Amino acid sequence: QVQLQESGPGLVKPSGTLSLTCDVSGGSISSSHWWNWVRQSPEKGLEWIGEIHPSGVTNYNPSLKTRVAMSLDTSKNHFSLRLTSVTVADTASYYCARSSSGYLNHWGHGTLVTVSS
Amino acid sequence: EIVLTQSPGTLSLSPGERATLSCRASQSVRSSYLNWYQQRPGQAPRLLIYGASSRATGIPDRFSGSGSGTDFTLTINRLESGDFAVYYCQQYGSTITFGQGTRLEIK
Repeated sequence: QVQLQESGPGLVKPSGTLSLTCDVSGGSISSSHWWNWVRQSPEKGLEWIGEIHPSGVTNYNPSLKTRVAMSLDTSKNHFSLRLTSVTVADTASYYCARSSSGYLNHWGHGTLVTVSS
Repeated sequence: EIVLTQSPGTLSLSPGERATLSCRASQSVRSSYLNWYQQRPGQAPRLLIYGASSRATGIPDRFSGSGSGTDFTLTINRLESGDFAVYYCQQYGSTITFGQGTRLEIK
């Protein structure tokens, strides 16, 4: 059974960079799936951030595209998210998830990131 | 971007009753790419239905999905206590988008 676990700072300063990692266990990150980041806030609900494939192909939410970068490390079996120039509007619970054919069938527990000075 | 609108916002029902949740898309969605999730408080969303009508692994047959084009429905028969949660639809096209959710609460 694939399991995902997010990790990273819970507090980021405005204008700073949010960096999160998702550790994958019970399966290889090199398998032919897409690896996603989704966030959730009371204001915006569930918001898809983007996805990365082991081939290196990425797709990002157009509304975040200029600030987002995802990467994947097969040696560590994890993938990462970087979100730059954060504001209080980026405060949310961040989830990593694996998708197959457009549905997200494995999720991490989520991690709360607060943007505040 | 395809916008998904769910209705009602809140649905109040009693255990044993049937729940019918709606998801309407701003443009046609390929049925293969319309999915439903359940989210309980403090938990991550859980996949219930994929491809509009296929149940995910371990999901009881009380849950069913239907629809095509721009109108999709999630039906939950014989409501149990664990079913009272928030439900989201999601589509996968050029991007992934979610509906705003329907809260199913105990009447």
